[in-house]
Amino acid sequence: GENVEQHPSTLSVQEGDSAVIKCTYSDSASNYFPWYKQELGKGPQLIIDIRSNVGEKKDQRIAVTLNKTAKHFSLHITETQPEDSAVYFCAAHTSGGSYIPTFGRGTSLIVHP
Amino acid sequence: DVKVTQSSRYLVKRTGEKVFLECVQDMDHENMFWYRQDPGLGLRLIYFSYDVKMKEKGDIPEGYSVSREKKERFSLILESASTNQTSMYLCATQKRGAQRGYTFGSGTRLTVV
Repeated sequence: GENVEQHPSTLSVQEGDSAVIKCTYSDSASNYFPWYKQELGKGPQLIIDIRSNVGEKKDQRIAVTLNKTAKHFSLHITETQPEDSAVYFCAAHTSGGSYIPTFGRGTSLIVHP
Repeated sequence: DVKVTQSSRYLVKRTGEKVFLECVQDMDHENMFWYRQDPGLGLRLIYFSYDVKMKEKGDIPEGYSVSREKKERFSLILESASTNQTSMYLCATQKRGAQRGYTFGSGTRLTVV
């Protein structure tokens, strides 16, 4: 089955810096990669996603890149703000009928004012 | 605004009690899922359902059951609560079709004493 590894597990940055979280996956049939943000005491929220026919996608200060050859995808947050502090999860969906993703273990991002 | 509502944010139950966790959605999504979230273990799938009256076991179904009598409601049942079921429980929904992300509820933090 699919295996998703997420790094780092903890990331601490200063406000205004950029943050990058990386995930690698094992199944070359994976074709959809969402990212979720989970704030303290809340459920995860989908913040951006990318499909395998696209190499990069941006939404304001966040972007996701996908390298199918290397089987990795990354979340980039620019100009970080304290409200970006949260746990971020990546996930990979494999084509073939199952709607169930494989999640990474999560990255705790701390943005220091 | 689409919503997934979990009936309780915090719940404290005694060992051996039968516990019901309710999840209600208003998005007309076909697929519904129950996960538990524990530090260091990430998100683990307990049960899921692709349709009314239908249920499938996830990765850790032992000690749990589910019920889906109506499309909008998916209930998780702990038949006889144990302390190792103390956890954050997350309900998620998903529109059937091409690979899509989840919409999560806010979670129920269950403590079994």
